[in-house]
Amino acid sequence: EAAVTQSPRSKVAVTGGKVTLSCHQTNNHDYMYWYRQDTGHGLRLIHYSYVADSTEKGDIPDGYKASRPSQENFSLILELASLSQTAVYFCASTGTGGTQNTLYFGAGTRLSVL
Amino acid sequence: TQTVSQSDAHVTVFEGDSVELRCNYSYGGSIYLSWYIQHHGRGLQFLLKYYSGNPVVQGVNGFEAEFSKSDSSFHLRKASVHWSDSAVYFCAVSGGYAQGLTFGLGTRVSVFP
Repeated sequence: EAAVTQSPRSKVAVTGGKVTLSCHQTNNHDYMYWYRQDTGHGLRLIHYSYVADSTEKGDIPDGYKASRPSQENFSLILELASLSQTAVYFCASTGTGGTQNTLYFGAGTRLSVL
Repeated sequence: TQTVSQSDAHVTVFEGDSVELRCNYSYGGSIYLSWYIQHHGRGLQFLLKYYSGNPVVQGVNGFEAEFSKSDSSFHLRKASVHWSDSAVYFCAVSGGYAQGLTFGLGTRVSVFP
């Protein structure tokens, strides 16, 4: 079964600190995505990647960096965490062919910035 | 630019009732339309999707959705809900998998016994 694993599941960070959220997929998918979920805003796309060593900006990339060192791994990096980045973050992957446009999501990382 | 509108923020139904969740979209080209379910504290799970062909698509657990180009809609239905269907339901659109999906704000469904 397709699997996307996120770590950590929850994180408390201090304002101005560095935070790295990790995502690992065993789906053999080329496409990976980072979304954030906030009450009242639904899910919004931060960064995505369609191949290792390459990332693209989504709709709300400011304050975030992404890294795709391999097909399986995709990280989201907050260099200087801010209060406004408190949210739940979801990683997702999708492939081509029959799974095209079907996103497989991880369980999410709840980030609280204090 | 693609947008998704889910008109109902919260729907309350009783077990065994039918339910319809509304989704309207705006997009200029060929699109994929899909529905996802999110149980409390969990990630989103795929329910069904439409790209072309029969406008009524069947999904998991008795869900179905109907595409209407004239109404720019993709409403989700279930004939008889179960308490386990209590969750938040998201409609999403995409012009292609490289772009990711654009999600609506979600509709929370509460099923009472």
